[in-house]
Amino acid sequence: RKEVEQDPGPFNVPEGATVAFNCTYSNSASQSFFWYRQDCRKEPKLLMSVYSSGNEDGRFTAQLNRASQYISLLIRDSKLSDSATYLCVALNSGNTPLVFGKGTRLSVIA
Amino acid sequence: DAGITQSPRHKVTETGTPVTLRCHQTENHRYMYWYRQDPGHGLRLIHYSYGVKDTDKGEVSDGYSVSRSKTEDFLLTLESATSSQTSVYFCAISGDNLETQYFGPGTRLLVL
Repeated sequence: RKEVEQDPGPFNVPEGATVAFNCTYSNSASQSFFWYRQDCRKEPKLLMSVYSSGNEDGRFTAQLNRASQYISLLIRDSKLSDSATYLCVALNSGNTPLVFGKGTRLSVIA
Repeated sequence: DAGITQSPRHKVTETGTPVTLRCHQTENHRYMYWYRQDPGHGLRLIHYSYGVKDTDKGEVSDGYSVSRSKTEDFLLTLESATSSQTSVYFCAISGDNLETQYFGPGTRLLVL
């Protein structure tokens, strides 16, 4: 079983829609969590960190549920430019701390 | 953007030939990583380095070797390339907090 699991999608949504992705993790000792964004044929880039209290950055809201071991990302008022693959990432201890999910693909359609 | 470059950006080679990919950073970060990304598998760690001359294996290290003789350079070598090593290779760096990794632009390798 992969340590971080995501629905691969694709999620096809119209512009202006609200879309949510969930991600589950299996290592209860994971310390922190992040969402990375990867555009087609580009490198992954950090989108936002995920805190237990939840955090919001503009149209993006990330939340962590430690009891159920899942992380969510909510995107409101979707834009065409939000089309990308979103990678869920867990931070563990050690020198290779970041564990990446396989990603969820989002396509926002006009 | 973090100062991290990869070379070459694209390469086509034949089975059995050696290939070396270079990652160069200007951030003076301690940690450097090599990943491969394939459809259906996501990012998989090949090797990583936690300092000059300090390297270790990742999840998919068979068929690959690495070297780090300077802080700024991390080399990935395929001793004898196979078609299964056709992939996109990403280098990444992180500082001591290990929380954020910055990725290079990637190298697309095709082994015929």
